[in-house]
Amino acid sequence: EVQVVESGGGLAQPGRSLRLSCAASGFTFDDYDMHWVRQAPGKGLEWVSGISWNSGRISYADSVKGRFTISRDNAKNSLYLQMNGLRVEDTALYYCAKFPSWQQPVADASWGQGTLVTVSS
Amino acid sequence: IQMTQSPSSLSASIGDRVTITCRASQTISTYLNWYQQKPGKAPTLLIYVASALRSGVPSRFSGSGSGTEFTLSISSLQPEDFATYYCQQSYSTPYTFGQGTKLEIK
Repeated sequence: EVQVVESGGGLAQPGRSLRLSCAASGFTFDDYDMHWVRQAPGKGLEWVSGISWNSGRISYADSVKGRFTISRDNAKNSLYLQMNGLRVEDTALYYCAKFPSWQQPVADASWGQGTLVTVSS
Repeated sequence: IQMTQSPSSLSASIGDRVTITCRASQTISTYLNWYQQKPGKAPTLLIYVASALRSGVPSRFSGSGSGTEFTLSISSLQPEDFATYYCQQSYSTPYTFGQGTKLEIK
């Protein structure tokens, strides 16, 4: 069974840091590009960052560029998101996900249940 | 690439056929995913590359389009279909989503 489980969320003050983790199982992790997608309370979905299977391609949304860093450890089947310089507007449920794209035309998708990040003083 | 969904909300009855439209601000070929999200749950993939039905998704769901205009249709609404639907372009990063269409029971 495919499983994607996020952790590391919590309450942080503006300007502080958090590191999110995503543990994947049930599929060959190093075959897939992986992504972070967030959803602010009551709002829509926003793609945050993505990393290719071999870490050779990394992209960020403009809203987090220069503050967030995505990485992965294929030996541990894990994806990470280092979030520095947190802002109130970063408050959201953060999902770890794989989905079809032009770079990786797979026929499936998997999303975790998300980890909540709250940025408040 | 901006993705614009319409309508933002939609009321319909069981058995109705509904259509949701998604427009891209530039051509994305057929690199368009459709998701369903129910309250408190993660999104689930329904359609990829504009018209391919994900395995296990009921055949009452269908997608079409290419270039900049796409549609998601549900042929005969079932109670479990009332949810929010999102399109997502998967052509180039950032992989932007539409703002969502909330489908409610009339």
